[in-house]
Amino acid sequence: NAGVTQTPKFRVLKTGQSMTLLCAQDMNHEYMYWYRQDPGMGLRLIHYSVGEGTTAKGEVPDGYNVSRLKKQNFLLGLESAAPSQTSVYFCASREHNEQFFGPGTRLTVL
Amino acid sequence: AQSVTQLDSQVPVFEEAPVELRCNYSSSVSVYLFWYVQYPNQGLQLLLKYLSGSTLVKGINGFEAEFNKSQTSFHLRKPSVHISDTAEYFCAVSRDVGGTSYGKLTFGQGTILTVHP
Repeated sequence: NAGVTQTPKFRVLKTGQSMTLLCAQDMNHEYMYWYRQDPGMGLRLIHYSVGEGTTAKGEVPDGYNVSRLKKQNFLLGLESAAPSQTSVYFCASREHNEQFFGPGTRLTVL
Repeated sequence: AQSVTQLDSQVPVFEEAPVELRCNYSSSVSVYLFWYVQYPNQGLQLLLKYLSGSTLVKGINGFEAEFNKSQTSFHLRKPSVHISDTAEYFCAVSRDVGGTSYGKLTFGQGTILTVHP
């Protein structure tokens, strides 16, 4: 099992550009989450999904969109990137009260 | 809503010394409690969790934590640290699943543990 994988690992964008981060899990988990990590702020929940075809807003959803067309994939989109979205993004999937995290994507918006 | 406070942003300690990383939470309902570790440039790994039962929870790598409901705390301890324990540690809480929380985690700000030789 690869567990939770994230693509890409690094990305640099200019303000106003768009991009999609891909999260994939091979554990057949229903629940998936997107977090962002900023220094001194821990991880904050952006969006989450409780199953294929469902999405819901988390704590900091503004400027992001998500889709869960397939159970194994959870996509995070930035339609018009802003410098405030410079962060490390983590995806997680959940089973039995434990979340399993991917290795993260480091995004810089210039 | 719940919140988590990690009382120390950085904890320096010498190798083989004991360490305690402090975590306090607030919630109006019962919660599940977690400690995660993040090594440099990696994702988060679960150290231990408290769901119910014994208030002393043992995790991986010799860590343990004690749930104290009256003090709303879940402090992480290790009796003797190693250089390899240098990492950032996160405390997190989740409301009981069964309602509408869907296992969402609320994280503390993180504590950077640095073990010196």
